[in-house]
Amino acid sequence: NAGVMQNPRHLVRRRGQEARLRCSPMKGHSHVYWYRQLPEEGLKFMVYLQKENIIDESGMPKERFSAEFPKEGPSILRIQQVVRGDSAAYFCASSPTRGIFGTQYFGPGTRLLVL
Amino acid sequence: DAKTTQPNSMESNEEEPVHLPCNHSTISGTDYIHWYRQLPSQGPEYVIHGLTSNVNNRMASLAIAEDRKSSTLILHRATLRDAAVYYCILRLETSGSRLTFGEGTQLTVNP
Repeated sequence: NAGVMQNPRHLVRRRGQEARLRCSPMKGHSHVYWYRQLPEEGLKFMVYLQKENIIDESGMPKERFSAEFPKEGPSILRIQQVVRGDSAAYFCASSPTRGIFGTQYFGPGTRLLVL
Repeated sequence: DAKTTQPNSMESNEEEPVHLPCNHSTISGTDYIHWYRQLPSQGPEYVIHGLTSNVNNRMASLAIAEDRKSSTLILHRATLRDAAVYYCILRLETSGSRLTFGEGTQLTVNP
């Protein structure tokens, strides 16, 4: 059973461009979470999605960031008009169930560098 | 939200046991204690979780104090591959499904 897959693993963008980060959850998992790890900082929750629905986006910046998890295909985290402060590692996790009992399985992350 | 407190760093020698402490004095009765770890340049990895009783799995053991205000993650024989940041996380019913990571403990394993 393949683990959580994220691509690209590394992404370089210039200020003002768009960044699209993809996450394919583990087979059979319908719950996806995105976390961000800024340089020298801890991991921060961004958003939790279930197929076609955003369940909790309390950690998402209000502007320029959006996330989706369509019925078919991977979950996408989209950052419009990137700025240098968006440079970070973005991790996706998936779980088979929701709530506090669901172990989250993390992908290897996408490292975004904004020039 | 209940908060956890962990030492910033700890050191161990290879093949020796390691006890990683975590304080969570404001834990409530229904909060689960989870441990994740993050190896260098990798995503976090689930280690173990428990509620009240001590727990064992193939990776580690979790010892929970009787009053639940602290817990200890035990690696029985540390290997170089166990060098990572270890996060003690309370899974709160009120916080839904998200994980709230603190600073964690950076474990160094010496050969």
